[in-house]
Parts: sequence; C-alpha cells; structure tokens
Amino acid sequence: GDSVTQMEGPVTLSEEAFLTINCTYTATGYPSLFWYVQYPGEGLQLLLKATKADDKGSNKGFEATYRKETTSFHLEKGSVQVSDSAVYFCALSGRSGGGADGLTFGKGTHLIIQP
Amino acid sequence: NAGVMQNPRHLVRRRGQEARLRCSPMKGHSHVYWYRQLPEEGLKFMVYLQKENIIDESGMPKERFSAEFPKEGPSILRIQQVVRGDSAAYFCASSPGEFTEAFFGQGTRLTVV
Repeated sequence: GDSVTQMEGPVTLSEEAFLTINCTYTATGYPSLFWYVQYPGEGLQLLLKATKADDKGSNKGFEATYRKETTSFHLEKGSVQVSDSAVYFCALSGRSGGGADGLTFGKGTHLIIQP
Repeated sequence: NAGVMQNPRHLVRRRGQEARLRCSPMKGHSHVYWYRQLPEEGLKFMVYLQKENIIDESGMPKERFSAEFPKEGPSILRIQQVVRGDSAAYFCASSPGEFTEAFFGQGTRLTVV
C-alpha cells in the first residue's frame, strides 16, 4: 500500500539557516503530495501541495518539488525563523483532488529553531 | 470562523471503560474525517462521514470503534471497552466538499491506564 517516509527528528537549526526535510513516498499511480505543519497547541494546517510531477508547491517561504523519478517531495526553506518551530508532516493522497479521506501521512519531523 | 474544535484535549480512561471523542467541524463544513496517530507513527485514516452517513470506514477497527455525525451536533468517535493499545492521539478534520482542503483540529490525546 501507500507509504510516506520522512526524516526523523528533532531537527535543530539556528535562525537564518537553510532547511531541508526529506520526504520520500511509495504509491501506485500518480498521487498528490502535501506538507502539513502543526504549531504548538494547534491543529495540522496545510502548508503546501503539488498535484503532478515537476510541480512546485510554495508558501510562507517554504518550497517542495514533486520529483516522480526519485519519488520525493523534500521541504526546503532558505532562511528559517524561530516562528517556524513546529512539527512538519509529509502526506500523499492517491485520490483525485486530495480529499482528506485518502491521506497517508509520514510520522512527522519536529523542527526546533534556536535564536 | 472558529476552527475545527475537538474535545476533550486530553482523556484518561481505565481499561474496559468507554471513550467518547467529540469533533465540531468548521462552520459550513459537512464532511468530517477521523485519524489516529499511535506513538511513533504517522496519522492513519479511520473514517470519513458526511451528515448522518458513513462514507468510508475502511480504516476503523471492526470491533469496539464506532463513529457518527448526526444532523445536529458534533461528530462522535466512540471506543468501547478501551485497551492500552487504544492510547493515541485522535485527530478530526473537516472540509466543505469531497475533494477540497481539509482543516484539522488540535486532537484528543487518549491515555488508557
């Protein structure tokens, strides 16, 4: 079945450092790919998404490119801030449109940004 | 517009008791989804409901677990005769339509002692 693997945390960086959180997936067909973020004390929020190969999703300075050849969707940000400290979840949906009934999540990566 | 509200945030139950988890979707949302996150695992889909209907319960254990989304009131996830293995974080999400972005609640952390 479908699965998502993302790097273990916690990941600790200094403010203004470059961020990469790796995510690879296994799925049949052509899934849609997502990054969700969970800030302390809050629910998961959709950060960005890509629905087909070579698409780049971007939001709040974060980017991720759908790489079909490497089955990856790595999350990057050029200069992180303390406010980016959160848990980041990579997810895929094998269903058209990415409805939430078809989401498969990774285990989450806890990101800690130090001033 | 308040977000998806789940309560309680934390719930402790003894083995054999019943656990009831509530989820109030965002205003205008008629689609509700429940996910479970076991320790050291990713979120796993459990059930998808629309008002008064279960659309997909393929991820829900066949015994002891049930879910409803009545015409009025919140969606309820009910776990009967809880066991230690039910200890997890349970997340609810809602959306206005079938293939639209879903918004998640903060989750209910169930601990079975």
